[in-house]
Amino acid sequence: EPEVTQTPSHQVTQMGQEVILRCVPISNHLYFYWYRQILGQKVEFLVSFYNNEISEKSEIFDDQFSVERPDGSNFTLKIRSTKLEDSAMYFCASTLALGRVDTIYFGEGSWLTVV
Amino acid sequence: AQKVTQAQTEISVVEKEDVTLDCVYETRDTTYYLFWYKQPPSGELVFLIRRNSFDEQNEISGRYSWNFQKSTSSFNFTITASQVVDSAVYFCALGVLRGGADGLTFGKGTHLIIQP
Repeated sequence: EPEVTQTPSHQVTQMGQEVILRCVPISNHLYFYWYRQILGQKVEFLVSFYNNEISEKSEIFDDQFSVERPDGSNFTLKIRSTKLEDSAMYFCASTLALGRVDTIYFGEGSWLTVV
Repeated sequence: AQKVTQAQTEISVVEKEDVTLDCVYETRDTTYYLFWYKQPPSGELVFLIRRNSFDEQNEISGRYSWNFQKSTSSFNFTITASQVVDSAVYFCALGVLRGGADGLTFGKGTHLIIQP
């Protein structure tokens, strides 16, 4: 079964450093997402991406965050200057088409620890 | 704004018991969709089911069943004859179609513990 893949699975970074989390969505999917889950809390929407631009973003997704689809397969989340509170599991997700209310598939997550 | 409430923070049952996880949602949108995801200790989110707002048919998949009731805005999940491998955090989520790729709104999750 096709799957969303994420790298790295775990990254430890120092406060203030830039971090890039990478995702390879399912190949024929058109909508891409990043979500965040702080340890022990619920999953929160960060941003959605369609047709090479941001479609929606939450209030969590401030100027420190950016997303990019640098080529036909990767979808990245960049955190410019990490803070301690950015420590969380970051999930990438993708779906084929909203109009058909398709299933949204999540990757296995990238654990980010900011020290 | 959308809201999903999973009032049960943690449920503990003995193996082979049936267990129901509650999910209540709020939305003003008339077209929406509901999901259940399972998060085992390894951390990934595993898709279980998607239900559209215009399809109130209940669904059964093996030991899993879902009861969607629009009248009470609930989408409850029942595991029959629970097994230790069912131990996980279960999230209910709500999505709407508004032209943009709106993200899902998740509940806080229910931690299900199945004791042998």
